[in-house]
Amino acid sequence: QITLKESGPTLVKPTQTLTLTCTFSGFSLSTSGVGVGWIRQPPGKALEWLALIYWDDDKRYSPSLKSRLTITKDTSKNQVVLTMTNMDPVDTATYYCAHSLYDILTGYSPWYFDYWGQGTLVTVSS
Amino acid sequence: QSALTQPASVSGSPGQSITISCTGTSSDIGSYNLVSWYLQHPGKAPKLMIYEGSKRPSGVSNRFSGSKSGNTASLTISGLQAEDEADYYCCSYASSSNVVFGGGTKLTVL
Repeated sequence: QITLKESGPTLVKPTQTLTLTCTFSGFSLSTSGVGVGWIRQPPGKALEWLALIYWDDDKRYSPSLKSRLTITKDTSKNQVVLTMTNMDPVDTATYYCAHSLYDILTGYSPWYFDYWGQGTLVTVSS
Repeated sequence: QSALTQPASVSGSPGQSITISCTGTSSDIGSYNLVSWYLQHPGKAPKLMIYEGSKRPSGVSNRFSGSKSGNTASLTISGLQAEDEADYYCCSYASSSNVVFGGGTKLTVL
């Protein structure tokens, strides 16, 4: 059974750096073909993809946010960490982590997220 | 403004069929068969309903189907049920390792 859970601060001040941790179970990020991504959703608004990291440490970022994002993994702890610098009130959102796959037979990613965490609401305010 | 365009709302009566459209461009939906659809109930995490355009994950009802024509993808729900009432989001790969979502469609079961 695959589960993911996000953790981190609920409130950050403008200009601060946000650090979120995704702790998962039911799979390993040392297994070929596995990935974990981050997606956010401002209150009442649409989903927005942020970043994705694969078992081989390949990292992908949203082009519009790439300069502010860093995604890392700790395989031994079954965790993925996302940092976002220079937080602004427009970054107020529920942040989700999610499981993804890479098809190692065909060599391409199907770019979908099949298991999601419950999400964590981060508010940016002074 | 989202990269993919969805109708803000659709509605249907129980037992009916509805279709939600998702319009992109030749740089995303038009170039790749990598559209996924997610259902989201209020206050809950999204749930994958369709991937790679038309494939259903294990456990998803066959009342849900996906298709694509040109730059537009569609999600069809047949035999509408009360529990189908939710927000639906489309998603597509958009080259250069980018993923884009639609603005979401609120489905109301009358």
